[in-house]
Amino acid sequence: KNEVEQSPQNLTAQEGEFITINCSYSVGISALHWLQQHPGGGIVSLFMLSSGKKKHGRLIATINIQEKHSSLHITASHPRDSAVYICAVSGGADGLTFGKGTHLIIQP
Amino acid sequence: KAGVTQTPRYLIKTRGQQVTLSCSPISGHRSVSWYQQTPGQGLQFLFEYFSETQRNKGNFPGRFSGRQFSNSRSEMNVSTLELGDSALYLCASTLGSSSYNEQFFGPGTRLTVL
Repeated sequence: KNEVEQSPQNLTAQEGEFITINCSYSVGISALHWLQQHPGGGIVSLFMLSSGKKKHGRLIATINIQEKHSSLHITASHPRDSAVYICAVSGGADGLTFGKGTHLIIQP
Repeated sequence: KAGVTQTPRYLIKTRGQQVTLSCSPISGHRSVSWYQQTPGQGLQFLFEYFSETQRNKGNFPGRFSGRQFSNSRSEMNVSTLELGDSALYLCASTLGSSSYNEQFFGPGTRLTVL
């Protein structure tokens, strides 16, 4: 069974700062997902990647398959980026396996 | 295109009762996965259905079951409810296999067991 570790668990930063959230996993995967969850519960898929790097607006996700590690970066952070960011991996018969999430607060 | 819908959004039940939750995927999506989210355990995979067949199942007791209909709508059922079943239940739909495709999540059903 895959083990997914995220760091940091909590992060408070000032508006405009560059944010990095890390995710590591223990077993080979078919894909890694970065999800965003706002208060109230709704989850939005930000990225799905199996190699390299993807960029969407101010968000960048990278993955190193050899190192079993991924990072999510937020450039020019804004208070509306405040949310829980969750890393999840897929590839086995266990569906998605999730990390415990990173609670991000961006202060104005 | 309409998103994933879940009904009901909120539900209160008592111990020992059973409950059925419904999920309607995005039109054209054939795979529906179900997840449980609790403060203690976080998000956990329950099961995945593809073309009316259960493809994968998480580590949950047999009280948790599901099914998928020919129109891809899915239901999950929890029998003999326990206090620990109080959680947010989320479903997600994908075009094909959930292992290789982006998942689109519904708003969830918040179940409270008293």
